[in-house]
Amino acid sequence: KAGVTQTPRYLIKTRGQQVTLSCSPISGHRSVSWYQQTPGQGLQFLFEYFSETQRNKGNFPGRFSGRQFSNSRSEMNVSTLELGDSALYLCASRDEWASRTYEQYFGPGTRLTVT
Amino acid sequence: QKEVEQDPGPLSVPEGAIVSLNCTYSNSAFQYFMWYRQYSRKGPELLMYTYSSGNKEDGRFTAQVDKSSKYISLFIRDSQPSDSATYLCASNNNAGNMLTFGGGTRLMVKP
Repeated sequence: KAGVTQTPRYLIKTRGQQVTLSCSPISGHRSVSWYQQTPGQGLQFLFEYFSETQRNKGNFPGRFSGRQFSNSRSEMNVSTLELGDSALYLCASRDEWASRTYEQYFGPGTRLTVT
Repeated sequence: QKEVEQDPGPLSVPEGAIVSLNCTYSNSAFQYFMWYRQYSRKGPELLMYTYSSGNKEDGRFTAQVDKSSKYISLFIRDSQPSDSATYLCASNNNAGNMLTFGGGTRLMVKP
C-alpha cells in the first residue's frame, strides 16, 4: 500500500495570507489527524477527522480549520497567517478496524514558511 | 509544564552502545505509550507501543512503562549509526487519536 501523502511538500507564504494543505491517507484508513511540529513546541495535535466529522480538536485558534472528504482525504486551512505559523505540518492516518488500532502512520509533512 | 517531558539531547554514543531514552508524564489518564523515530525531513514512524505498565521487547528495542512513577523508557541495544534520529515519546488516554508528544531526543550513534 502507498503511504500517507501530503501536498505540497514545501510552501512559502506571506503574513496575512491563507493556505490550504492536503493529505491523502493510506487506502482504507478513515481516521486522519493533523499535527504541527515546531522547534519550540514540538509536535502538537491540531485535529482529528473520522468519516468526514471532526472528532477531536487541539488547543489552536480558530484560524486553523480542517475538513475531510468522503474518500477520507483531508485538508487543513490556516487563515490570516502569522510568522509563528511557520512549522512542519504532519498528517497521520489510522485504521480503526485493525488489531493495532492505535498505530498512526505519518506522512512526510508540509514545510510551511511564513515571511 | 508540558504533559510529556523529554530531554532534548543531543545524545551521542559510540556504535554498539546501549542507549537509554526517557520521558516523564503528568497526566494520570494516559494509558497508551508509544515511541516514534523521526529521521531528518521525514515524518515520525512508530517503533514501540505499550498499553499500561510493563515491558515490551522487539528486536534491539525494549520499551518500559512505570505508571507508578509516570516514567517511560526506550532502550536500544547494539546501537547502529542508522539509529541516529530524533526519538519521540507519546501518550494518550482512551480519547481516540489525540497523541501528546514529548519534545524529542536527538540521538547520534558514531561509527
